[in-house]
Amino acid sequence: GNSVTQMEGPVTLSEEAFLTINCTYTATGYPSLFWYVQYPGEGLQLLLKATKADDKGSNKGFEATYRKETTSFHLEKGSVQVSDSAVYFCALNDLIQGAQKLVFGQGTRLTINP
Amino acid sequence: EPEVTQTPSHQVTQMGQEVILRCVPISNHLYFYWYRQILGQKVEFLVSFYNNEISEKSEIFDDQFSVERPDGSNFTLKIRSTKLEDSAMYFCASSEDRNKETQYFGPGTRLLVL
Repeated sequence: GNSVTQMEGPVTLSEEAFLTINCTYTATGYPSLFWYVQYPGEGLQLLLKATKADDKGSNKGFEATYRKETTSFHLEKGSVQVSDSAVYFCALNDLIQGAQKLVFGQGTRLTINP
Repeated sequence: EPEVTQTPSHQVTQMGQEVILRCVPISNHLYFYWYRQILGQKVEFLVSFYNNEISEKSEIFDDQFSVERPDGSNFTLKIRSTKLEDSAMYFCASSEDRNKETQYFGPGTRLLVL
């Protein structure tokens, strides 16, 4: 079945550092890919998405490019802030009859120190 | 901005007891979902619901689980006889329609079964 594997955490960086969180997937067909973020005490929020190969999703300075050849969707940000501290989830959509089911990676906890 | 809400935020129950987790999806959304996350593990799909019936369920969603939309606003997950291994964070999500891939998540209910 479809699956998502993402970088083990936790990840700790200093403010203004460059961030990469790796995500690879296994899927039949060409699912859409997502990054969700969970800030402390809150629900999962969509950060960005890409729906087809070579698409780049971007939001709040974060970017990820849908790479079909490497089955990857790595999350990057050029200069992180303390407010980016959260848990980041990579996911794909598994189209099922009548609805879309999200398949998640295990999450990566990111801590940014001032 | 409309959001998905869930109650309670935390629930502690004794093994064998019934629990009902409540969700209020975004008002014009048509598809509803439950996911769970056991501590330290991936977010897992449980069930999707559309037009007052289950669209899809995972193998986790056995006979002790049920979902219901009792009125025009609430969406509930019932666990009839809780087990220790049901302890997890339960997330509700909703999406506008089948073709709108973005699912909007609530903050979750943390269930602890003793």
